[in-house]
Amino acid sequence: DAKTTQPTSMDCAEGRAANLPCNHSTISGNEYVYWYRQIHSQGPQYIIHGLKNNETNEMASLIITEDRKSSTLILPHATLRDTAVYYCIVRPSSMNTGFQKLVFGTGTRLLVSP
Amino acid sequence: DVKVTQSSRYLVKRTGEKVFLECVQDMDHENMFWYRQDPGLGLRLIYFSYDVKMKEKGDIPEGYSVSREKKERFSLILESASTNQTSMYLCASSLGGVNQPQHFGDGTRLSIL
Repeated sequence: DAKTTQPTSMDCAEGRAANLPCNHSTISGNEYVYWYRQIHSQGPQYIIHGLKNNETNEMASLIITEDRKSSTLILPHATLRDTAVYYCIVRPSSMNTGFQKLVFGTGTRLLVSP
Repeated sequence: DVKVTQSSRYLVKRTGEKVFLECVQDMDHENMFWYRQDPGLGLRLIYFSYDVKMKEKGDIPEGYSVSREKKERFSLILESASTNQTSMYLCASSLGGVNQPQHFGDGTRLSIL
């Protein structure tokens, strides 16, 4: 997986938008950007993924820059339950078994406060 | 919603025991995975299955085996548990094909004494 860089930690007030950045400057043309999060003592939770267009689902929005070298995950109205470690990863679109596995970096620890 | 269920949240076993960790998914997913997660080492793939009775080794298969007799169930077996297998074990599943997200269970925190 291509390397990603994320801030170690971020704070957000409850009810405000949380904008989590990710740098993936070495991303190649067939690699997707994926976001997962992990709440303490739980398994990772898939959030969203995209290739080059912006994506939105019921959990979040994903904004990918035109050059694809960075992206931002947006939680539009953060709640206390959004406190978690957020992982940005890039994955090739390939059937090769070696590319099926997920490799998480250190992620961003998001703390949502009242 | 995808539901991946792991049989136990917490498990304590003794060195040398044979340990079974069970995982069931309810979304008819072709692919199933077993990972372990350790502080400072991140997520590491143990085994992967892309179909019933099919399996492939991940990065750290030593000391483990797997069984997939039915599409919805993927079992991880520790043949003879050792203390260095104390870890959080995570099961995941996904649809077949490319670009499919993996969905995880809540994990089993296994302690080997």
